[in-house]
Amino acid sequence: TQLLEQSPQFLSIQEGENLTVYCNSSSVFSSLQWYRQEPGEGPVLLVTVVTGGEVKKLKRLTFQFGDARKDSSLHITAAQPGDTGLYLCAGGSGNTPLVFGKGTRLSVIA
Amino acid sequence: KAGVTQTPRYLIKTRGQQVTLSCSPISGHRSVSWYQQTPGQGLQFLFEYFSETQRNKGNFPGRFSGRQFSNSRSEMNVSTLELGDSALYLCASRGGGFYGYTFGSGTRLTVV
Repeated sequence: TQLLEQSPQFLSIQEGENLTVYCNSSSVFSSLQWYRQEPGEGPVLLVTVVTGGEVKKLKRLTFQFGDARKDSSLHITAAQPGDTGLYLCAGGSGNTPLVFGKGTRLSVIA
Repeated sequence: KAGVTQTPRYLIKTRGQQVTLSCSPISGHRSVSWYQQTPGQGLQFLFEYFSETQRNKGNFPGRFSGRQFSNSRSEMNVSTLELGDSALYLCASRGGGFYGYTFGSGTRLTVV
């Protein structure tokens, strides 16, 4: 069974601080995705990474896929209150269902 | 284009009853997946349908079932509801390859 471990589970920071969220597995994935979910809504896809060592940037968010395609990180620079939410990583391989981590709940305080 | 539509948004049922949830995927998407989300377990995979066939199934009891119609719309059914079935049920569709899932807003099921 493939598992994804996310850390930390909870993060509360002040506006303007930087943070990194980690997603680790003992399994290799063909792709890894990050989602953000707000209360009462479904997760929204932020990025998909497919190549080991790949780095993608989305404004103040930087996503990295590990060289061995077993881990990933999400770094947010100068966090803003609008970044508050539940961040989920998910791993996929072929037509197998996406496996989700349990998420990191981020709270950015103004 | 229209997103993934789930109905109803909220549902309250009594133990022992059954419930049917509906999901309309993005037009052209043939894959529909269902997940159960609870605070303690996170998102757990229920099943995936592709072109009216169940392609993958998670580790849930037989009380959980689903189907997909020729227009790709999908339904999931839970029979003999238990208190532990209270959760947010999410439906997601995707177009294939490495494209990510597009989720609906979910159906919040409360069993009392």
